[in-house]
Amino acid sequence: GAVVSQHPSWVICKSGTSVKIECRSLDFQATTMFWYRQFPKQSLMLMATSNEGSKATYEQGVEKDKFLINHASLTLSTLTVTSAHPEDSSFYICSARGQVAYGYTFGSGTRLTVV
Amino acid sequence: RKEVEQDPGPFNVPEGATVAFNCTYSNSASQSFFWYRQDCRKEPKLLMSVYSSGNEDGRFTAQLNRASQYISLLIRDSKLSDSATYLCVVSDGNKLVFGAGTILRVKS
Repeated sequence: GAVVSQHPSWVICKSGTSVKIECRSLDFQATTMFWYRQFPKQSLMLMATSNEGSKATYEQGVEKDKFLINHASLTLSTLTVTSAHPEDSSFYICSARGQVAYGYTFGSGTRLTVV
Repeated sequence: RKEVEQDPGPFNVPEGATVAFNCTYSNSASQSFFWYRQDCRKEPKLLMSVYSSGNEDGRFTAQLNRASQYISLLIRDSKLSDSATYLCVVSDGNKLVFGAGTILRVKS
């Protein structure tokens, strides 16, 4: 079945630094990538949607200059959290959808802790 | 009002019990409906899609009422391994909107 590899699975960084999270579709072409954030005991909240080769569309309240999304190829999308602060500590998950596949394939998530 | 609302629980049930979860959604234009399961600190995994005609997958039965904008999940003969958070998910044809989840704890 479709697989999305997400790395790193967890990361601890210092306040003010940037962190890059990668999601790769291993056996299909991900035409659309969704990036979610989940705080403890809360729902997955969609941050942005990106289509290969296009600029990402951000949800209301999500700062596009802080959360940089790149979807330059059909198999790779990255989310960079710039100038991270402790309040950015969260669980970040990507989800990919291909041209043919109806379903959404999730990465395994990245637990970010900013200290 | 949240787009997808669920009772957060937790539901604490003994093994073998039958448990039902409910969910309501606000967007009447929603096209697809799902139940996902999420274990602690893991990504959500698709449990089943939900159809108006109702559908069953082993011990799991899902039902959709479009008129009431209501979705349900019934789990029969609960197992310890069913302990997880169950997420009600609705799609407008493009993006998924998640409920906050209902916690199920099955105890021996």
